[in-house]
Amino acid sequence: QKEVEQDPGPLSVPEGAIVSLNCTYSNSAFQYFMWYRQYSRKGPELLMYTYSSGNKEDGRFTAQVDKSSKYISLFIRDSQPSDSATYLCAMARSGGSYIPTFGRGTSLIVHP
Amino acid sequence: NAGVTQTPKFQVLKTGQSMTLQCAQDMNHEYMSWYRQDPGMGLRLIHYSVGAGITDQGEVPNGYNVSRSTTEDFPLRLLSAAPSQTSVYFCASSNPGANVLTFGAGSRLTVL
Repeated sequence: QKEVEQDPGPLSVPEGAIVSLNCTYSNSAFQYFMWYRQYSRKGPELLMYTYSSGNKEDGRFTAQVDKSSKYISLFIRDSQPSDSATYLCAMARSGGSYIPTFGRGTSLIVHP
Repeated sequence: NAGVTQTPKFQVLKTGQSMTLQCAQDMNHEYMSWYRQDPGMGLRLIHYSVGAGITDQGEVPNGYNVSRSTTEDFPLRLLSAAPSQTSVYFCASSNPGANVLTFGAGSRLTVL
């Protein structure tokens, strides 16, 4: 079993839908949780970053961490065709060298 | 501010040839790393460095060599290219404690 599990999709939704992307993990030492967005033929870029449990909101995006269930989510409200991309979750332990563990990424397609 | 610069963007090699993928960052980041990204496999860590003169192996180091003589540069060498090394390669950098990676745009390598 991989440390971080993420359904690769693809997930296809109509414009305006609420999108839910999820990752599960097995290592309870993870304290930092990130979501990266990767457009086709581009490098990943940081979208959301949270520490420990709780929610964080940034515009149409909400990141949620449930450490008791070892489950993180990214919600996208009012999804747009420009949100079509691959979304990768990433997690890291506290202390020491920073080496994040990535999920495989979920491909999202928002069609007009 | 260029961020992380990778060259070349595209390369085609024949089996057995050697080459170097270049990575440079201008953010004075201590931590640099190389990933390969293959369909369905996500990002896999090849090698990483926590500072000039210090390198270590990641998840898939075989067939690759790295060195870190300066803070800015972290080249990845393919010693004898194999078709299994056909992939998209990403270089990334960060500072310890910052917990986020800045990625380059990627280098697409095809080995025939």
